[in-house]
Amino acid sequence: EIVLTQSPGTLSLSPGDRATLSCRASQSVSSSYLAWYQQKPGQAPRLLIYGASTRATGIPDRFSGSGSGTDFTLTISRLEPEDFAVYYCQQYGSSPPITFGQGTRLEIK
Amino acid sequence: ELQLVQSGAEVKKPGESLVISCKASGYSFSSYWISWVRQMPGKGLEWMGRIDPGTSYTNYSPSFQGHVTISADKSISTAYLQWTSLMASDTAMYYCTRRHYYGSGSYNDYWGQGTLVTVSS
Repeated sequence: EIVLTQSPGTLSLSPGDRATLSCRASQSVSSSYLAWYQQKPGQAPRLLIYGASTRATGIPDRFSGSGSGTDFTLTISRLEPEDFAVYYCQQYGSSPPITFGQGTRLEIK
Repeated sequence: ELQLVQSGAEVKKPGESLVISCKASGYSFSSYWISWVRQMPGKGLEWMGRIDPGTSYTNYSPSFQGHVTISADKSISTAYLQWTSLMASDTAMYYCTRRHYYGSGSYNDYWGQGTLVTVSS
């Protein structure tokens, strides 16, 4: 099983700051199968980034993804109030075919 | 409009059985895998398993194999998640989600609104 470890667990920042979230895999992951999701309280997850770096439809360009192999990053260039949420990375690969990281909570400082 | 609409919240007792549903609309149901994802209170997302609605082929996370059953009825574009004997630890929000495959990759693009299952004596 591929384990995804996200860091930090909680990130405290202010609106306008830059946020950098990390996702590290226990073994190499195909970039084509690395995605990021945002979840706000009481809501279902929402796709942000797929293929490690491609923004989903309607996602603002302040969100960007990068990385390859075992290290992936989600960057939010200038935080807006609505960006404070929990973020999950996800990989698709070997059995089990889909795993999620444990999440990073982005909170207002 | 593409939608996944899940059945409503459930309150059950330990040992009871339960089936929750996920009705798809706005796309060809048979063409996209459906996964189920668990989120326990205050916790993260856990992939449970998936089904190819076109063939009813399923596979499960080892953590859930044998405890739940995933099925689908393509005639009514609906996927199901079933328990035969609930436990208190099954208390969680459950999401269905569609898997989109493209060229060399895939991702979960649409999600149901979630079904809250509470198991308590």
